[in-house]
Amino acid sequence: NAGVMQNPRHLVRRRGQEARLRCSPMKGHSHVYWYRQLPEEGLKFMVYLQKENIIDESGMPKERFSAEFPKEGPSILRIQQVVRGDSAAYFCASSPPGLGTYEQYFGPGTRLTVT
Amino acid sequence: DQQVKQNSPSLSVQEGRISILNCDYTNSMFDYFLWYKKYPAEGPTFLISISSIKDKNEDGRFTVFLNKSAKHLSLHIVPSQPGDSAVYFCAAGSGTYKYIFGTGTRLKVLA
Repeated sequence: NAGVMQNPRHLVRRRGQEARLRCSPMKGHSHVYWYRQLPEEGLKFMVYLQKENIIDESGMPKERFSAEFPKEGPSILRIQQVVRGDSAAYFCASSPPGLGTYEQYFGPGTRLTVT
Repeated sequence: DQQVKQNSPSLSVQEGRISILNCDYTNSMFDYFLWYKKYPAEGPTFLISISSIKDKNEDGRFTVFLNKSAKHLSLHIVPSQPGDSAVYFCAAGSGTYKYIFGTGTRLKVLA
């Protein structure tokens, strides 16, 4: 049973470009969460999605960031017009449907570097 | 405002001894707490959790203790093994998904 998959593992973008980060949840999981970890900090919640629905995006910056989880395919975190401060590790986690969303299973992360 | 704090950035322990990792939180509404382990270049791996209705939860070599009055939880690893060397994050939340993570403690178990 494959775990949470994220790609790319490393992404380098120049300032002003767009970054697209992909996340495929564990088989059978329908809840996806995105976290960001800045250097020397803990993971910070960004957004919680279910298929075709954004449930909670209270941790997302108001501009340039968007997320989706379409009916088919992976969840996508999109950052437009990247700036140096967007350089971080972005982790995706998933959990199964139903009441038991307590434990989230994380992917290996995408390390974004903005030059 | 750091609602979940891990005040020790690093800890070294001899193999076979007990490792104690500490975590403090400020929000009394938190009702679920988790510990994750993270190796370099990997995502966090779930270790153990505890709800606020309990004060202790045990799983093999790992035990989590919760002191609600002190808003403090700890993770005990006994006996410590070299493979336990990693960064450990505590996380806390209310409701079921929006966890606040601490900044982590790097544990090094010496052979």
